[in-house]
Parts: sequence; structure tokens; C-alpha cells
Amino acid sequence: KQEVTQIPAALSVPEGENLVLNCSFTDSAIYNLQWFRQDPGKGLTSLLLIQSSQREQTSGRLNASLDKSSGRSTLYIAASQPGDSATYLCAVVSYNTDKLIFGTGTRLQVFP
Amino acid sequence: EAGVAQSPRYKIIEKRQSVAFWCNPISGHATLYWYQQILGQGPKLLIQFQNNGVVDDSQLPKDRFSAERLKGVDSTLKIQPAKLEDSAVYLCASSSEGLALSYEQYFGPGTRLTVT
Repeated sequence: KQEVTQIPAALSVPEGENLVLNCSFTDSAIYNLQWFRQDPGKGLTSLLLIQSSQREQTSGRLNASLDKSSGRSTLYIAASQPGDSATYLCAVVSYNTDKLIFGTGTRLQVFP
Repeated sequence: EAGVAQSPRYKIIEKRQSVAFWCNPISGHATLYWYQQILGQGPKLLIQFQNNGVVDDSQLPKDRFSAERLKGVDSTLKIQPAKLEDSAVYLCASSSEGLALSYEQYFGPGTRLTVT
């Protein structure tokens, strides 16, 4: 059974810092991994999708890497801003379930 | 391109009452999903539709939850009767890919349900 874990559960940093959010999964047989952002009271916004054949994806100040063999992904946020404050969720689709399995998220607060 | 629409945004009901949620996916997206997100947890898939057929409803509590997707477009999720533990955010998502789930899922704003 695929399990997805995110560390840390919460993070509070001053504006301008570079951040690393971690995601680990137990079954390496995955189609892809997605990173989402969720603002309070809002739905999920897809940030980056990494296919199983890829090692990383970049969008603006965000960079996500994938190491399938070790069951890990990291989301790197450069030069953090207060507007980055949100909950960040990672999710994987496994070969044997065809479902998107989510982690519990990292709640990020960036203060001025 | 319009996103996934959901209504209502908020709903408060008493236990044992019934409630229904509505979802309109992105135009042309064949696959539609309903997720339940309990506070502090990641979303959990309840049911997946491919056009108007059910692909996966293994985690749907069928004694009280039902869902339909008429004409392969809009979908409704119903709870009858509601329990306190049903308090959660119900998210609808859609994707343009079929069963392989190799493409992105796009999520709506969700419906926050509180059962008292």
C-alpha cells in the first residue's frame, strides 16, 4: 500500500530564505508525482508535475526533483515571499492503484 | 479557460440530514474525481468517473454516499444521512487523460461541510 509522508509538517521562515520541502513515498512504482499548493479555504493548485521518467521540473522560483529509486521528492522554493504562505501537498499515482495518493502536507508561513 | 466549478462553497447541516454537492468540470475533461479532505489530512479519493461511468468507488461509503455524472459532464455527490465524521472539504477535480492518470488533475475550490 502506497504511503506518502511530508516533512516538516509546519515551517515558519523570514522572507527571502530558500526553502526545501520533503516528500517520501513507500512504493517506487509510480506514474508521476505532483506538488500542489492549497490556500486556506481554497482548492488545490497544481504547481509542478514530474513524470516517472523525469528527474526534475522548474517553474519560476520553484524546482521539484524526483528520485524514484529512493522514494523521495523535494520542492525547492527560492527567495521565499509572504505570498508563498500556504499548505504544500505532494501526491503520487502508483502503477498498482491508478489513484492520486496525497501526503498530509507542509504548512508554510513566510513572514515579512 | 474556465476552471472546475463547485457549489455550494459552504454548508452547515445537522447530523442525519442530507446534503448534495455539485461539480462542473473543465470543458472536454472526460475524467472527474470527488475527494474528501478532513482537516489536517491530504485529500482521499471517494469516486472516479470516466465520462458517465464509474471507474473506482472502492473508498466511497456506499451506505450513505452516492454520486452520479449524468451525460458525462456535471456531477453530484450526495450524503444521506450525514454523520459528524463527514465534516470535511469535498473537492472535485477533472483531467483530460483517461484511466492512466498520467496527466494533471485540476481541482475546484471545494465545498466545506460542517455537520453539527
